[in-house]
Amino acid sequence: QKEVEQDPGPLSVPEGAIVSLNCTYSNSAFQYFMWYRQYSRKGPELLMYTYSSGNKEDGRFTAQVDKSSKYISLFIRDSQPSDSATYLCAAASGTYKYIFGTGTRLKVLA
Amino acid sequence: DAGITQSPRHKVTETGTPVTLRCHQTENHRYMYWYRQDPGHGLRLIHYSYGVKDTDKGEVSDGYSVSRSKTEDFLLTLESATSSQTSVYFCAISRRDGTDTQYFGPGTRLTVL
Repeated sequence: QKEVEQDPGPLSVPEGAIVSLNCTYSNSAFQYFMWYRQYSRKGPELLMYTYSSGNKEDGRFTAQVDKSSKYISLFIRDSQPSDSATYLCAAASGTYKYIFGTGTRLKVLA
Repeated sequence: DAGITQSPRHKVTETGTPVTLRCHQTENHRYMYWYRQDPGHGLRLIHYSYGVKDTDKGEVSDGYSVSRSKTEDFLLTLESATSSQTSVYFCAISRRDGTDTQYFGPGTRLTVL
């Protein structure tokens, strides 16, 4: 079992929809949770960085961490075609190591 | 790309040849990382560095070595490339340890024939 699991998709939604992207993890030691966006043939770009449980909002993006169920989510409001990309979740404990999910491909249809 | 460049951006090589990939940063960050990205596996850590001449292994380090003689440069070497090392390689940097935000470079696409 991978330490961070993510549905690969693809996920297709119409423009303007609310998108929900999810990951689960198995290691209780994880305290830091990240979401990256990766466009085709580009490097991952950090979207959200959260510590421990709770919500964090940045513009149209909201990251949510539920440590009791080991579940992390990214919500995108008013989705745009430019949001079409692969979204990677990652988790880390108190060491150097990020553990990444395999990524979810999102396509927002105009 | 947060002041990170990778070279070359694309490379095709043959099995058994040595290959060196370079990561250069202008941020003066202490930590540097090499990842590989493969379908179905996501990003996996190969090696990382926590200072000049200080390096350690990640989860997929077999067949790879690294060196860091200057803060700004982190080299990844495939001593004798194999087809299983065909992948996209990303360098990342962070100011502190792995709990700090990691910023990624643009990647190097390596094909081993």
